[in-house]
Amino acid sequence: NAGVTQTPKFRILKIGQSMTLQCAQDMNHNYMYWYRQDPGMGLKLIYYSVGAGITDKGEVPNGYNVSRSTTEDFPLRLELAAPSQTSVYFCASSPRLNEQFFGPGTRLTVL
Amino acid sequence: QKEVEQNSGPLSVPEGAIASLNCTYSDRGSQSFFWYRQYSGKSPELIMFIYSNGDKEDGRFTAQLNKASQYVSLLIRDSQPSDSATYLCAVLNSGGGADGLTFGKGTHLIIQP
Repeated sequence: NAGVTQTPKFRILKIGQSMTLQCAQDMNHNYMYWYRQDPGMGLKLIYYSVGAGITDKGEVPNGYNVSRSTTEDFPLRLELAAPSQTSVYFCASSPRLNEQFFGPGTRLTVL
Repeated sequence: QKEVEQNSGPLSVPEGAIASLNCTYSDRGSQSFFWYRQYSGKSPELIMFIYSNGDKEDGRFTAQLNKASQYVSLLIRDSQPSDSATYLCAVLNSGGGADGLTFGKGTHLIIQP
């Protein structure tokens, strides 16, 4: 199993551009999560999903959108990128409401 | 607002000594607790979980839970330089929602050779 994979690893965006961060898992987990991690600030939940077709907002959803059309994929969309969205983004999955398994992360810089 | 508090450190411990990492949480209904290790530039990696009051040992790691005091700790025995990392405490949210875990900001641990 590849576990949780994320692409790209690094990306630089200009202010106002849009992009999609990809996340996929091959463990047949129902629960998937998107976090952002700023230096010294811990992990903040952006969006989560409990299964295909079902998503909900986390603590910091503004400026982001998600979709979950399959169990495997959970992309995160950034519209109109802003410098405040410079961060490291982690996707995670879980078989149940319990421990989460993280992808390698995407380091995003908005200039 | 559910909160998980950790001392950010850095916590400096000599090689071979016991490192003690502490965490308090605000959600009194929480039942599941996790410790993640995060090396610089890497993703969090699960190292321990604990559900019941008391101690749980796994190799050099011991997790301790006291629900009455809303306190979780992680002990690392015979600390090695490879244990140098940030340790994140995470608490499973109660209340029936599916929003999963609330993370602390982490404690930066440095093991001095």
